[in-house]
Parts: sequence; structure tokens; C-alpha cells
Amino acid sequence: AQSVTQLGSHVSVSEGALVLLRCNYSSSVPPYLFWYVQYPNQGLQLLLKYTTGATLVKGINGFEAEFKKSETSFHLTKPSAHMSDAAEYFCAVSDQSDYKLSFGAGTTVTVRA
Amino acid sequence: ETGVTQTPRHLVMGMTNKKSLKCEQHLGHNAMYWYKQSAKKPLELMFVYSLEERVENNSVPSRFSPECPNSSHLFLHLHTLQPEDSALYLCASSQESTSGSGEQFFGPGTRLTVL
Repeated sequence: AQSVTQLGSHVSVSEGALVLLRCNYSSSVPPYLFWYVQYPNQGLQLLLKYTTGATLVKGINGFEAEFKKSETSFHLTKPSAHMSDAAEYFCAVSDQSDYKLSFGAGTTVTVRA
Repeated sequence: ETGVTQTPRHLVMGMTNKKSLKCEQHLGHNAMYWYKQSAKKPLELMFVYSLEERVENNSVPSRFSPECPNSSHLFLHLHTLQPEDSALYLCASSQESTSGSGEQFFGPGTRLTVL
């Protein structure tokens, strides 16, 4: 069974500053990893995913994440925050034998002008 | 329509009412899901349908009754709900296959308020 831990339920950054959201997972098999974003009163939208291959994954809106197997981590970063990045972010994991996703509890990002 | 659509977007109902939530996916996927998202709580997986058969029911009370008449449509029938059932209900779909990644596509959700 997989599980996901997102460190920090709330992150506040200044506009133009680095955004770093932390995600650690546990999985007994090689995982597939995802980051989703949710804007108020909307569904979840996929930001990026890691399945196989290159461990640095680029997504939409300037976000990227790096899969580090040795650290069982998949942290999400964006070099320069924009006001439109204010949202809730969810890390999720699935394994190759089970189509279900296990989600983290989410991290709310606020961006200060 | 594209992606995953849900209707209604907002629903207010009394505890004695019966209502249904509808989800439709236009992606040709073969699996569909219902999630409950409550304030300050992690996303809760309620039901999973694979090839139109229910394959998972995560101890959901019987006042929630899912229906999947075909691979594109999913319903959640609601009756005699409680105020604590107020939440955002999200539908998702995915393509199950041995080469798939498990990526799920979500609808915008139905905001349910039970009075």
C-alpha cells in the first residue's frame, strides 16, 4: 500500500520568490507520482507526473518536480511565484499494479504582493 | 463538452430529500471514481467503477448509492443525508491498462449543502 505525506499544510511566499512544496511517499513498488492543483471551488488539475525515465519533470505554469528514489521524495518547485499560483496543491502516488491514487492532505499556497 | 463534467455545480437539500449527482466523461476512459472533499480533511475515495462494475466501496454509508449505467456516465444518488455530508463531491476518470500511469482527470465538483 502507498501513502503520501505533504510537509506543511500552509505555505506563504512573496510574489517572485521560490515556491517549494514537499512530498514524501511510501510504496512497496516503483511508484507513479503526481502533483495536482486545485483552485477555489474547482476540481483538481494535473500539474505534472512522473512515471519512468528522467527524474526531473516539468509541468504546466512553470512548475517542476524531481523524483529522488533514495529520499522517497517528489518535491514541487517554481522559481518565481505569481499571484495566480495561490491554490491548494496535492501530491499523489499510485503503483504499477493498482490504478488507485493515494493523495496527500494538501498544501495551501498563499502569495503575498 | 470536453473532459469530465459534473451537474449540478451547487446543490442545497434538506435531510429528507432525494437528489442525484451526475458525472460524464468525454475521454473514452474505462474507470470512474467518486471522491468526497470536506474542509480540513484529506480527499476521501468513496467508490470506484472499472468497466462499469463497482470494484471498491470504502465503507460509505448506504444513504449514498452510486450507479454507472455505461462507461461514460456515473451517478451518485443521495437520500436522507446528514449535515456532515455537506462537502465538495468530485468525480474523476482514468484509463486503466497495464501500460497506464493511473492519471486521473477530475470534474469541477458539486458543492453539496445539507440543511
